[in-house]
Amino acid sequence: AQKVTQAQTEISVVEKEDVTLDCVYETRDTTYYLFWYKQPPSGELVFLIRRNSFDEQNEISGRYSWNFQKSTSSFNFTITASQVVDSAVYFCALSGTISGSARQLTFGSGTQLTVLP
Amino acid sequence: NAGVTQTPKFRILKIGQSMTLQCAQDMNHNYMYWYRQDPGMGLKLIYYSVGAGITDKGEVPNGYNVSRSTTEDFPLRLELAAPSQTSVYFCASRIRGDSTDTQYFGPGTRLTVL
Repeated sequence: AQKVTQAQTEISVVEKEDVTLDCVYETRDTTYYLFWYKQPPSGELVFLIRRNSFDEQNEISGRYSWNFQKSTSSFNFTITASQVVDSAVYFCALSGTISGSARQLTFGSGTQLTVLP
Repeated sequence: NAGVTQTPKFRILKIGQSMTLQCAQDMNHNYMYWYRQDPGMGLKLIYYSVGAGITDKGEVPNGYNVSRSTTEDFPLRLELAAPSQTSVYFCASRIRGDSTDTQYFGPGTRLTVL
């Protein structure tokens, strides 16, 4: 069975601070993808980033960066120079096999990020 | 492309009533999914379908039914609504052969059962 743990329930930062959201996962699959989604107060799910299990190279995309460490089963997400518009719930998700070729996403419980002006 | 669409956006039901949540996608995706998101929680898989005529249970299927008569549509049926089914429901789709496992989500349906 798969599991995604986001230990940080809520985080508050002041605008322009950097903030890192933690994600730890468990899976028996050898091939999988890890995702970060943003859910603003309007409620929709916004895809942010994706990383496959074979690529541990960390990347930066604008103000977003991520640190994938297979040895510790962690996939942490950092927002640099946070802005008020970054306030949202952030979900980490892990893909895995349901049965046969069917794949599902397992979500963590989310981290509520509040960026104060 | 409209992507994944869901109707209605909001609904209030009384205990024991039934309703169907609609989901449609125009991307010719083979795989479709229904998730529920309870307050303060992540999404949990209710049902999924790998193609027209084929559906299967996910993690939390009790109290729900689905059908998949066409590639485009994947409705979710609540037969006897209960307060425990108060949640936000998301539909998603994915194309077969997409090795990135990326699912495309609809905007969600917020359901309250009183």
